[in-house]
Amino acid sequence: AQSVSQHNHHVILSEAASLELGCNYSYGGTVNLFWYVQYPGQHLQLLLKYFSGDPLVKGIKGFEAEFIKSKFSFNLRKPSVQWSDTAEYFCAVKGDSWGKLQFGAGTQVVVTP
Amino acid sequence: GAVVSQHPSWVICKSGTSVKIECRSLDFQATTMFWYRQFPKQSLMLMATSNEGSKATYEQGVEKDKFLINHASLTLSTLTVTSAHPEDSSFYICSARLTETNYGYTFGSGTRLTVV
Repeated sequence: AQSVSQHNHHVILSEAASLELGCNYSYGGTVNLFWYVQYPGQHLQLLLKYFSGDPLVKGIKGFEAEFIKSKFSFNLRKPSVQWSDTAEYFCAVKGDSWGKLQFGAGTQVVVTP
Repeated sequence: GAVVSQHPSWVICKSGTSVKIECRSLDFQATTMFWYRQFPKQSLMLMATSNEGSKATYEQGVEKDKFLINHASLTLSTLTVTSAHPEDSSFYICSARLTETNYGYTFGSGTRLTVV
């Protein structure tokens, strides 16, 4: 069965620190990859997505992610976080044979001033 | 951009009653909508896929008679939690797939259901 795993459930870091969140999936076919963010009390918002082309994808709010096919990974990065980046981050994958997104368990990121 | 409106944003109901949650695509047509359930500190769990004009496809372990889904038009899907019990209390989120592309999904703001 396909699965999506996020390595860190909870991350605490200071403002200006760099952030990297891991995401791995298990599926051998073509995938579409997504990172979503859920700010406290708000709905899911798309940060970025990958479906083809340049494996380094730039999203909103200074986030980027790199698709490494050989590692089945799609890690999210931000060079310098802000307090407003405090949120929960979800990796999601859609395989070419599925009609639906499968989500990782999420990573709660807390940025301290 | 594509917007999905979900209503109500929160609801409290008594055990045994039914609750309907609406999910509307405001500026696009959605042939496929998805219903998720999110438990505290957990990820979104897909409950069912709602297809316009046909029966919903439920994920394993989801009771279709308890969680009734209707997708009667290209802009509206509803989830009805029938005979609700406290264990049904959760955060329910709908999502729509944009018809222009297979890659775009947009999410509603969610409905917090509390059954007392």
